[in-house]
Amino acid sequence: TQLLEQSPQFLSIQEGENLTVYCNSSSVFSSLQWYRQEPGEGPVLLVTVVTGGEVKKLKRLTFQFGDARKDSSLHITAAQPGDTGLYLCAGADAGNMLTFGGGTRLMVKP
Amino acid sequence: DAGITQSPRYKITETGRQVTLMCHQTWSHSYMFWYRQDLGHGLRLIYYSAAADITDKGEVPDGYVVSRSKTENFPLTLESATRSQTSVYFCASSEGGGGSYEQYFGPGTRLTVT
Repeated sequence: TQLLEQSPQFLSIQEGENLTVYCNSSSVFSSLQWYRQEPGEGPVLLVTVVTGGEVKKLKRLTFQFGDARKDSSLHITAAQPGDTGLYLCAGADAGNMLTFGGGTRLMVKP
Repeated sequence: DAGITQSPRYKITETGRQVTLMCHQTWSHSYMFWYRQDLGHGLRLIYYSAAADITDKGEVPDGYVVSRSKTENFPLTLESATRSQTSVYFCASSEGGGGSYEQYFGPGTRLTVT
């Protein structure tokens, strides 16, 4: 089983601050997805990255896939209370099944 | 309503009892998945199905049974529940099995085994 380590596990910041969440593995993934989950709900896809070095932007969120396709990062600029939630990365292995990281729980205080 | 639904949303059962969690999707997606979510472990794949009558084990299949007689339904059965199976269970579906496909998740079932 391929492992994905997410850091930090918990993050509490003030509105307007910037933050970066990391997703690391020793394994190579064919693609990597980021999901966001709110309490009492299932995860919802934010982005999929498939090419090493790829950068995708979604409003204030910037996602990067490492050159070797073993790691990824999520950067949020000027965080807002609405960004509060659990952020999960998930890598697709050779069998194309997803392996999820343990998640980063983000709280943005007004 | 269209989408993916799970029932029940909450369930309390006793050790040794059989429990079935239901999952229904209206998109006619080929693939369906069952995950469990526990603190510190993220989401772990229990079983998945590529089509009706085709199922396969995921990372943590022991103690669980699945079936898929119809494309839209993918029930998960705990044959003899144990306390270690206390968890939140999520069903998901997708058009394909590859990592480039979005998985659509249900709202989850919170199961407590006493």
